[in-house]
Amino acid sequence: KQEVTQIPAALSVPEGENLVLNCSFTDSAIYNLQWFRQDPGKGLTSLLLIQSSQREQTSGRLNASLDKSSGRSTLYIAASQPGDSATYLCAGGVNTPLVFGKGTRLSVIA
Amino acid sequence: NAGVTQTPKFQVLKTGQSMTLQCAQDMNHEYMSWYRQDPGMGLRLIHYSVGAGITDQGEVPNGYNVSRSTTEDFPLRLLSAAPSQTSVYFCASRPRTGLKYEKLFFGSGTQLSVL
Repeated sequence: KQEVTQIPAALSVPEGENLVLNCSFTDSAIYNLQWFRQDPGKGLTSLLLIQSSQREQTSGRLNASLDKSSGRSTLYIAASQPGDSATYLCAGGVNTPLVFGKGTRLSVIA
Repeated sequence: NAGVTQTPKFQVLKTGQSMTLQCAQDMNHEYMSWYRQDPGMGLRLIHYSVGAGITDQGEVPNGYNVSRSTTEDFPLRLLSAAPSQTSVYFCASRPRTGLKYEKLFFGSGTQLSVL
């Protein structure tokens, strides 16, 4: 059974700092890895999707990488802003349903 | 496009009552799913469907029923509500395009309280 772990559970950084969020998974036969953002009281928004044949994806200040051999994915946020404050979840799929981590709650302090 | 629409946004039930959470998407997505989100537990899959007429159980299916008579709609039924079903429920959908995975789109959620 796929298990997805995110460390740390919470992170607070000053504005402008570059940061890395970590995600680890147990099944290296992962089909894809997605990073989501969730604002308080809202649904999830997909940020980046990495297919199993890819190593990384980039969107603006966000870069996500996937290393299947080590069972790890990272989300890199460059030049963080207060608007980046949210919970970030990663999710991995082996078959159809995605399995989610519990998320990292990020606070960017102005 | 409205995307994934969930109704109601909030609901309070008494123990033993039944109700249906509605989910509709206008993106012609084959795959639809229901998750519940609880503090400290993360998102857990309840049921999912890969197309009209096809449903399957997820990690926590007990106490919930689903059906998929159309591509657009995927309602979640609580048969006899229990306090343990107090949670935030999310519906999600995506295209099903063979081996290539597509992004998952979420609704805004239904906050359910069972007293």
